[in-house]
Amino acid sequence: DGGITQSPKYLFRKEGQNVTLSCEQNLNHDAMYWYRQDPGQGLRLIYYSQIVNDFQKGDIAEGYSVSREKKESFPLTVTSAQKNPTAFYLCASSIDLAGFNEKLFFGSGTQLSVL
Amino acid sequence: AQSVTQLGSHVSVSEGALVLLRCNYSSSVPPYLFWYVQYPNQGLQLLLKYTSAATLVKGINGFEAEFKKSETSFHLTKPSAHMSDAAEYFCAVSDGQAAGNKLTFGGGTRVLVKP
Repeated sequence: DGGITQSPKYLFRKEGQNVTLSCEQNLNHDAMYWYRQDPGQGLRLIYYSQIVNDFQKGDIAEGYSVSREKKESFPLTVTSAQKNPTAFYLCASSIDLAGFNEKLFFGSGTQLSVL
Repeated sequence: AQSVTQLGSHVSVSEGALVLLRCNYSSSVPPYLFWYVQYPNQGLQLLLKYTSAATLVKGINGFEAEFKKSETSFHLTKPSAHMSDAAEYFCAVSDGQAAGNKLTFGGGTRVLVKP
């Protein structure tokens, strides 16, 4: 079955630690996205990538970093500079460069909490 | 800049009753409009999408939404609620091909279905 796989499902971060959230898709989609979800605030865009080896900041990129070395993979690193990292993180993809006008396919999310 | 407002963070309906979720948007250009549904601890799934064709859009699971330009609204309805409709619903807007095109989500409306 084609889809988006996020891992781990739950992740705990210690103070000052960087953590990496994995996102893999086998849909052959060009575009991939990372969103942060906080209760009552909807989804906010962290980073997105429309093609391999290229990515752009979203609305809340500070304290996060990404890479896009392969079409299938778009890992998100939550750095120690992100002071309020507790949230539900969602990875998504879409078919092509039309990106935000197209249907987004979402993974099941990673819940990140601070110890 | 575009924005989305969903009226009511929580809605409670009886099984078999009408479901009405309100969404108002602002956009400087003709928008693309979306409704997504999120079941507990999962990613989002597309319910329906408006792209300037018919103003009444039919989606999956018996949902439909009507685009009203004069009211800048895109309310979601379902004639008869089912227990399986209990979920969180998100309205989203995209500015289409405008420069800096992004998808902006509303804060979400959580639907509780009472037997």
